[in-house]
Amino acid sequence: EVQLVESGGGLVQPGGALTLSCAASGFSFSSYWMHWVRQVPGKGLVWVSRINTDGSSTNYADSVKGRFTVSRDNAKNTLYLQMNSLRVEDTAMYYCAGGASGRSDYWGQGTLVTVSS
Amino acid sequence: DIQMTQSPSSLSASVGDRVTLTCRASQSVSPYLNWFQQKPGKAPKLLIYAASSLQSGVPSRFSGSASGTDFTLTISSLQPEDFASYYCQQTYSTPFTFGGGTRVEIK
Repeated sequence: EVQLVESGGGLVQPGGALTLSCAASGFSFSSYWMHWVRQVPGKGLVWVSRINTDGSSTNYADSVKGRFTVSRDNAKNTLYLQMNSLRVEDTAMYYCAGGASGRSDYWGQGTLVTVSS
Repeated sequence: DIQMTQSPSSLSASVGDRVTLTCRASQSVSPYLNWFQQKPGKAPKLLIYAASSLQSGVPSRFSGSASGTDFTLTISSLQPEDFASYYCQQTYSTPFTFGGGTRVEIK
């Protein structure tokens, strides 16, 4: 069974940092591009970042560029999102997703990040 | 950045209806267009990739098509479990933008 399980969300103050993790199982993690997507409750989906299969190429939305860093450890089947200088507007449910290039076949259940003082 | 515009933002339909959702890209993205279904409190689910390819396990009542920068998701006969929100996403170039979504509600 394919599983993506996010963790690491929680309450953080503005300007703070948080690292999200996404543990993968049931598929060939090292063969899949991985993405982070976020969603403010009740609002639409927003793409955040992607990383290629070996971690040598990454891309970010302008809203997080320079503050967020995506990485992966294929030996541990785990995807990460290091989030620094967090803002109130970063508050959202964060999903990891993976698939062949151009697709997001598999999704996790999400982890909620709340940025508030 | 490529803008994705979905219409309508919401619609009401009955079980058995044929439903058509539209997504327009601000520039050419073909064929890199995905459709997702999302139910409240759940993660999105991939329905269609590459504009018209049906994801494994997705019922055949779902279909996708493309004409230039316009993309369509059609549900041939709406079922009770299809009441949800639907999002298109382009993966032609980063940032991989989503449309604003279409909410399909029960009439």
